[in-house]
Amino acid sequence: GQQLNQSPQSMFIQEGEDVSMNCTSSSIFNTWLWYKQDPGEGPVLLIALYKAGELTSNGRLTAQFGITRKDSFLNISASIPSDVGIYFCAGYNAGNNRKLIWGLGTSLAVNP
Amino acid sequence: DTAVSQTPKYLVTQMGNDKSIKCEQNLGHDTMYWYKQDSKKFLKIMFSYNNKELIINETVPNRFSPKSPDKAHLNLHINSLELGDSAVYFCASSQGGRPQHFGDGTRLSIL
Repeated sequence: GQQLNQSPQSMFIQEGEDVSMNCTSSSIFNTWLWYKQDPGEGPVLLIALYKAGELTSNGRLTAQFGITRKDSFLNISASIPSDVGIYFCAGYNAGNNRKLIWGLGTSLAVNP
Repeated sequence: DTAVSQTPKYLVTQMGNDKSIKCEQNLGHDTMYWYKQDSKKFLKIMFSYNNKELIINETVPNRFSPKSPDKAHLNLHINSLELGDSAVYFCASSQGGRPQHFGDGTRLSIL
């Protein structure tokens, strides 16, 4: 099935550093979503984006819906130890809002 | 006040057995999903039901059979369990094409 290209695959950073990850697709999307999965739990929605160019923040997290509608990024500022986890991008293809397409995830480790 | 709850959280069983996982959502959503997450953490859609009607049925062995008695429940029955079925199974729900909300997963281990 279709997958999104998510990068980087993993990151190991120092507490206080900023983090950036992105997602690209080969087709146009009309919704981009960013989720975080903590160990032993299900993915939790962080940010939802619905319009090209949209920039949305959630605390220290900021995400943008790319102008081309084929990409999105997530930034985390001033990372803290509880940011550790796996971050997934996901989205709905234009014309199909029934099947969510997922990235492979970015595993984030934060050194206190 | 759990929004999407699935049981059991852990399931350890022998190869060849039949088992079921249950899922319930209290969000009033009209669509429910089952995902399989393998050891590499990729989330693979298995099934989706909209108002009790099957709308997504990916390439899944027919040993897996979903059942939706009403739009708040989606159960997953697995026959003749195999070693490769070991994974974490997630239930999720959404209202149409809006973001999906996930349960905490069922960790299935086949001995």
